[in-house]
Amino acid sequence: DAKTTQPPSMDCAEGRAANLPCNHSTISGNEYVYWYRQIHSQGPQYIIHGLKNNETNEMASLIITEDRKSSTLILPHATLRDTAVYYCIVIFRTAGNKLTFGGGTRVLVKP
Amino acid sequence: DSGVTQTPKHLITATGQRVTLRCSPRSGDLSVYWYQQSLDQGLQFLIQYYNGEERAKGNILERFSAQQFPDLHSELNLSSLELGDSALYFCASSSRGERGDPLSTDTQYFGPGTRLTVL
Repeated sequence: DAKTTQPPSMDCAEGRAANLPCNHSTISGNEYVYWYRQIHSQGPQYIIHGLKNNETNEMASLIITEDRKSSTLILPHATLRDTAVYYCIVIFRTAGNKLTFGGGTRVLVKP
Repeated sequence: DSGVTQTPKHLITATGQRVTLRCSPRSGDLSVYWYQQSLDQGLQFLIQYYNGEERAKGNILERFSAQQFPDLHSELNLSSLELGDSALYFCASSSRGERGDPLSTDTQYFGPGTRLTVL
């Protein structure tokens, strides 16, 4: 599975959009981009995933560049409860595959 | 709430002891994964079971073992415990877990974890 690079931390103002970047320059054609977050020692929470196209759900939007070498997770209106560590994971054939968590981005939403 | 349950929530025990952690997957999910999260190692994959059979192994110590029962719940057994085994243990479940379809995607959903403290 391709390796990902994320900034170690970022701050965001409550009510504003949070844009979390992830670089995955060695991603291959069949690898998916997954995002999870972990709120203070709770179980990792699935957010969203995508292959090529941009995706949106009730939690977030995922923008994948055309060359698929990077992506951005967008939390449209950050709240204090969005303070967490966000993990970008690239995984091939997710069925039956383990998730490899890197360091993630520690996001602090400030009032 | 992911639908994955884990018991107990907290466990405090002594070195040399043996403990069992339990995981119930989401209804209908056939695959269970176990992960360990310690302060210095981050989240690490331990082992995966699919419909009762072991499918993949990660950095799981020989002192640790797991199994998945016919009702699909899983147990992680940790024996001869050491101080360094203190960690959060998470299980995750997914609906499939087969590697047959190269394009299949199968999201893993995590439980709330068991915090193990070895004194």
